[in-house]
Amino acid sequence: SAVISQKPSRDICQRGTSLTIQCQVDSQVTMMFWYRQQPGQSLTLIATANQGSEATYESGFVIDKFPISRPNLTFSTLTVSNMSPEDSSIYLCSVECYGRQAYNEQFFGPGTRLTVL
Amino acid sequence: KQEVTQIPAALSVPEGENLVLNCSFTDSAIYNLQWFRQDPGKGLTSLLLIQSSQREQTSGRLNASLDKSSGRSTLYIAASQPGDSATYLCAVLNSGGSNYKLTFGKGTLLTVNP
Repeated sequence: SAVISQKPSRDICQRGTSLTIQCQVDSQVTMMFWYRQQPGQSLTLIATANQGSEATYESGFVIDKFPISRPNLTFSTLTVSNMSPEDSSIYLCSVECYGRQAYNEQFFGPGTRLTVL
Repeated sequence: KQEVTQIPAALSVPEGENLVLNCSFTDSAIYNLQWFRQDPGKGLTSLLLIQSSQREQTSGRLNASLDKSSGRSTLYIAASQPGDSATYLCAVLNSGGSNYKLTFGKGTLLTVNP
């Protein structure tokens, strides 16, 4: 399994600014994912971030708004750029690795709660 | 496009009751199905994972079943406790190239009353 930490745990930001969220994993993993959970909604995948390649974005998400870095097998960042109140959400990092149940089990970080004023 | 539906959206039960949460999905081309628990304002905790070739998985008071051909899964919680109160999310891992990702349902909000 994997233990994932995220920084910051929460933040309140002004519109028009940017925030970078960090995700750290306690083991080397190939596949990392970034999700958004808007208030009262379920999780939506923003992008898949594999080390050594460009992130792959889902429909409705673009690199200019959500740039992602993946410098090594244990770390990734997601930046939310030029924020507006509609970006207020919980942002979650997840990884796929060998868990107690399967080789492709996904584990999630505690999330970053972002409020944009 | 995969769609995952969870019924009911909310459920309130007295402590000690057995209960069933339902999940359905539209595309049976999946690798696995995972059930997660989410406490308010928190991340997700993986509860059970069923591979597409399996029928069920058990962990303690939890039992999850999968009927891939009909696109359905159930999460059975025995002898519910107030500590089980949380949102339960069902997610399927889609197979096939660029479609390899988890698709989530909207969740079932469970309240277990003491």
